[in-house]
Amino acid sequence: GAVVSQHPSWVICKSGTSVKIECRSLDFQATTMFWYRQFPKQSLMLMATSNEGSKATYEQGVEKDKFLINHASLTLSTLTVTSAHPEDSSFYICSAKHGPETQYFGPGTRLLVL
Amino acid sequence: DQQVKQNSPSLSVQEGRISILNCDYTNSMFDYFLWYKKYPAEGPTFLISISSIKDKNEDGRFTVFLNKSAKHLSLHIVPSQPGDSAVYFCAALVSFGNEKLTFGTGTRLTIIP
Repeated sequence: GAVVSQHPSWVICKSGTSVKIECRSLDFQATTMFWYRQFPKQSLMLMATSNEGSKATYEQGVEKDKFLINHASLTLSTLTVTSAHPEDSSFYICSAKHGPETQYFGPGTRLLVL
Repeated sequence: DQQVKQNSPSLSVQEGRISILNCDYTNSMFDYFLWYKKYPAEGPTFLISISSIKDKNEDGRFTVFLNKSAKHLSLHIVPSQPGDSAVYFCAALVSFGNEKLTFGTGTRLTIIP
């Protein structure tokens, strides 16, 4: 199947700092990428839909000014958690759309905010 | 409002037997369903999918059944193998919409050797 990478795989930061997570589709172009968050023992919750060359579409309850998404190319989307706080600690996963009804997921990024 | 539900948080099955994972949904607009397997600290891996125009799709040891009238789908794994131990998520989407995946809460499957 298609490959999606995320970087970094884990990050620890101090409260108040900003963290950028990259999501890349390695062997295909993705006009649409999705960002999810998973808290322990819970389901994956969609945060936003990232469309290449346009603004991201955020789900209800997700602060767009806190979670900045940039989809500058057909193979790269970035999620920046601005002024991170301990409650932002979570597992962040991206996916890239590859054909109809098909999404391939990255390996995830674990964020721990101290 | 949980539109996709997996009511069994965990399931244990003997190796070689059949594993049956269940999923229910409430949104009648969903017309495409997927099953993903997930290990801890990894992203989900696609297993199998089914369109609402079908009631069964089979791929090797994995078979997905869809009962539209009951808004219910199930994943059958036979025979179950130790490597199948993972968390399984069902997901649904509206194929002519924005194709956002709505995930269930997951079922942790443990295969007992």
